[in-house]
Amino acid sequence: EAGVAQSPRYKIIEKRQSVAFWCNPISGHATLYWYQQILGQGPKLLIQFQNNGVVDDSQLPKDRFSAERLKGVDSTLKIQPAKLEDSAVYLCASSLGTIQETQYFGPGTRLLVL
Amino acid sequence: DQQVKQNSPSLSVQEGRISILNCDYTNSMFDYFLWYKKYPAEGPTFLISISSIKDKNEDGRFTVFLNKSAKHLSLHIVPSQPGDSAVYFCAASAVNNAGNMLTFGGGTRLMVKP
Repeated sequence: EAGVAQSPRYKIIEKRQSVAFWCNPISGHATLYWYQQILGQGPKLLIQFQNNGVVDDSQLPKDRFSAERLKGVDSTLKIQPAKLEDSAVYLCASSLGTIQETQYFGPGTRLLVL
Repeated sequence: DQQVKQNSPSLSVQEGRISILNCDYTNSMFDYFLWYKKYPAEGPTFLISISSIKDKNEDGRFTVFLNKSAKHLSLHIVPSQPGDSAVYFCAASAVNNAGNMLTFGGGTRLMVKP
């Protein structure tokens, strides 16, 4: 079974530029998550989708971050404009359902904002 | 406000000995706990979990202990192997949170020396 796919793996941009990340979850997984992991810290949830609806986006900086999951499968996370403090690894995860379901993570996209 | 804390950033253990990784939490609503392992340039991989109705869960060389009164959990690896060298994250969630939001600790880097 294929795991969670993410692209690109690495991205370097200058501040104030925009960037987008793509995630393809495990087939059949209804729930998709985006996490931000800053160096030396644990992952922090940004947004959670159940199919194509948003379940929780309370920690998403909505002035610059946006995410969508059209058709309830793939998802994109966008940052516009980027700030230096956005430098982090952006992890996508998926699970079959919600309550106490194991989340499976992709390899992440490492973003460096200069 | 860190609701999940891993106070030891690193741990070094000799091959064959026991590794004990600790995690403390403050939110009494947490009732499901997980451990993830992360290798460099990869996403976190699920290792083992425990529900608050139990105080111990075992899977091969890995055992997780939960002390609800102390709001403390630990992961025991016996015997430790060099391939166990990785960063270990504990995470917690609350079953009443329909969003299955995981709160992660900051991680502990385990080094198992041959």
